[in-house]
Amino acid sequence: AQKITQTQPGMFVQEKEAVTLDCTYDTSDQSYGLFWYKQPSSGEMIFLIYQGSYDEQNATEGRYSLNFQKARKSANLVISASQLGDSAMYFCAMRDRGGSEKLVFGKGTKLTVNP
Amino acid sequence: NAGVTQTPKFQVLKTGQSMTLQCAQDMNHEYMSWYRQDPGMGLRLIHYSVGAGITDQGEVPNGYNVSRSTTEDFPLRLLSAAPSQTSVYFCASSYSGGGVYNEQFFGPGTRLTVL
Repeated sequence: AQKITQTQPGMFVQEKEAVTLDCTYDTSDQSYGLFWYKQPSSGEMIFLIYQGSYDEQNATEGRYSLNFQKARKSANLVISASQLGDSAMYFCAMRDRGGSEKLVFGKGTKLTVNP
Repeated sequence: NAGVTQTPKFQVLKTGQSMTLQCAQDMNHEYMSWYRQDPGMGLRLIHYSVGAGITDQGEVPNGYNVSRSTTEDFPLRLLSAAPSQTSVYFCASSYSGGGVYNEQFFGPGTRLTVL
């Protein structure tokens, strides 16, 4: 069965520093997609970055990068040069074929950026 | 494009009342889904649809019904509201062509309180 684990309920980082948010996943499929979403206090779900299981390069989108370690089944989100506006909940999620392409979420990490 | 729209934004119900949460998308996405978000639980899938006329259950379907008569609309019906259904509800959609590699686009959410 699909499973996403985010072991950090809360994280703190100083403004302008980098931070890594952990995500491990469990699937028996070879084809799957990994996604990170941001949820600010206003409540909307914002798509940040995506990694496909066959992608050889780590995904990057601006200040966001995904540290994809397939053998370890981890897909950590790295935010460089943190900004106050990065304070939010961050969710890791996965879709795989065995799960009928359903998107399964972890429980999230609350990131607080301190000035 | 309006993207994914949800109505209402807020709703208060009494136990036993019924209501329908509306969801519409204008991106011609085949895949649509409903999630509920509770504190500390991440997002959990209620029902999903891979196209008009096709629906299936997710992780927490009890107490909810869905139908998909058009590509654009995917309403969620609460048959007899219970306090345990107090939650934030998100509708999401995605293109099916890429399968597990497609991100889902989320609506703004509906905050439901059942008294």
